[in-house]
Amino acid sequence: NAGVTQTPKFRVLKTGQSMTLLCAQDMNHEYMYWYRQDPGMGLRLIHYSVGEGTTAKGEVPDGYNVSRLKKQNFLLGLESAAPSQTSVYFCASTTAGVEQYFGPGTRLTVT
Amino acid sequence: EDQVTQSPEALRLQEGESSSLNCSYTVSGLRGLFWYRQDPGKGPEFLFTLYSAGEEKEKERLKATLTKKESFLHITAPKPEDSATYLCATTNFGNEKLTFGTGTRLTIIP
Repeated sequence: NAGVTQTPKFRVLKTGQSMTLLCAQDMNHEYMYWYRQDPGMGLRLIHYSVGEGTTAKGEVPDGYNVSRLKKQNFLLGLESAAPSQTSVYFCASTTAGVEQYFGPGTRLTVT
Repeated sequence: EDQVTQSPEALRLQEGESSSLNCSYTVSGLRGLFWYRQDPGKGPEFLFTLYSAGEEKEKERLKATLTKKESFLHITAPKPEDSATYLCATTNFGNEKLTFGTGTRLTIIP
């Protein structure tokens, strides 16, 4: 059981470039989440999904898009990266009402 | 709006010096309160779930307790390997999202 995995681990982008972060889980969880973590701000929810084919906005969705085409995968896209999107991104998954399990994170720098 | 506040922001203890971390919450219809441990450069690692006031959970040197307004993470005789940031989060009924506090950064000095 790999749990929750994230690809890539590190990435540097230039302003205006695009990229996709991949999250995969092998626990058959229905719910998946994308967070960003910034110093002093804690974990903030970007988007989430309550099942295959569904997505919903979280607290800070602007500038990001997501897709959940397969139950085990949740993709986070940045269409036109901005320096304000420099952060550490975490994916998490869970079944309803219980603890979320987190991936190892992706450290993104936008210059 | 649900709110979770953790205190202190940072805590330095000598090895063996017991203490407690606080998590105060304002949640309508608490479904669960979660404690996580996060090491530098890693994702949060699940520790405990508490569901109702009066509940307690223990794991090694850690014990989590819950009242109607706050939760405590008690650490007894800590060791340097307990150094980490400890995060608290809540969820309520009808909402599959977590609300996180900003964490307490715990440092245990040998």
